[in-house]
Amino acid sequence: EPEVTQTPSHQVTQMGQEVILRCVPISNHLYFYWYRQILGQKVEFLVSFYNNEISEKSEIFDDQFSVERPDGSNFTLKIRSTKLEDSAMYFCASSNRHSLDQPQHFGDGTRLSIL
Amino acid sequence: GENVEQHPSTLSVQEGDSAVIKCTYSDSASNYFPWYKQELGKRPQLIIDIRSNVGEKKDQRIAVTLNKTAKHFSLHITETQPEDSAVYFCAASMGNAGGTSYGKLTFGQGTILTVHP
Repeated sequence: EPEVTQTPSHQVTQMGQEVILRCVPISNHLYFYWYRQILGQKVEFLVSFYNNEISEKSEIFDDQFSVERPDGSNFTLKIRSTKLEDSAMYFCASSNRHSLDQPQHFGDGTRLSIL
Repeated sequence: GENVEQHPSTLSVQEGDSAVIKCTYSDSASNYFPWYKQELGKRPQLIIDIRSNVGEKKDQRIAVTLNKTAKHFSLHITETQPEDSAVYFCAASMGNAGGTSYGKLTFGQGTILTVHP
C-alpha cells in the first residue's frame, strides 16, 4: 500500500535557525496538508495546499512558515526562524480529493526539537 | 471555526470488554468524521470514518455512530484486545463544503485507551 514518507524522522535545531521538513505524498494525490502535534496534545491543522498554492491555513501558520512543492513529488514545510514553541511532531498528509470519499493519509512525522 | 471535544481523556478496560469514546462538534457544516488510532511515536492511522448522510457504520469490531441533530459521534470497540491500546482521535471536516473547504481536519483532544489482559 502506498505511503506518505517524511524526512528526517528527527531534527534538532538551534533556536533562530531555519528548518525544512520534507514530505513525499502518495503519488496520485492532489491535496497536501501539514499538521503538528505538541507532545501529549492533539493534532493541529497548519496548512492545506492544492494546485500549487495554499488553500487554507490556521492562525499557527504565521509569516515564519511557508510551504512549497518544488517538484512533482516533494512537499516541504519551512520554518524561517525557529522558536522553542515550534518543538513538536510535524505530520504531512495527503488525499486524492478533498471530498467525502477520500480520507487523508498521514506520514510517520518529523520530530522537531528546538534547543 | 470548528471545535471538537472528546471524552474521556483516558479509558481503561479489561480485555473482552467494550470501549466507547464520544465526540461533539460545533459546526453544523461539518460532514465528514474520521477516527484515527495513534500508537506511541507513530503516525495517526485511519480506522473508520463516517459521512453525514449515514447514521452508523461498522467494520468488524469497530463501529461509529453519528447524531447530526445533537452534533455528536461515537466510536465503539467491542471485544477489546491488548493491541487496541493506543490513543484514539476523532476529527471533523467540512469535506468539500461548496468549494470553500479543502478538507482541513479538526481533531479532538484524544483518548488514551488501555486494554488490560
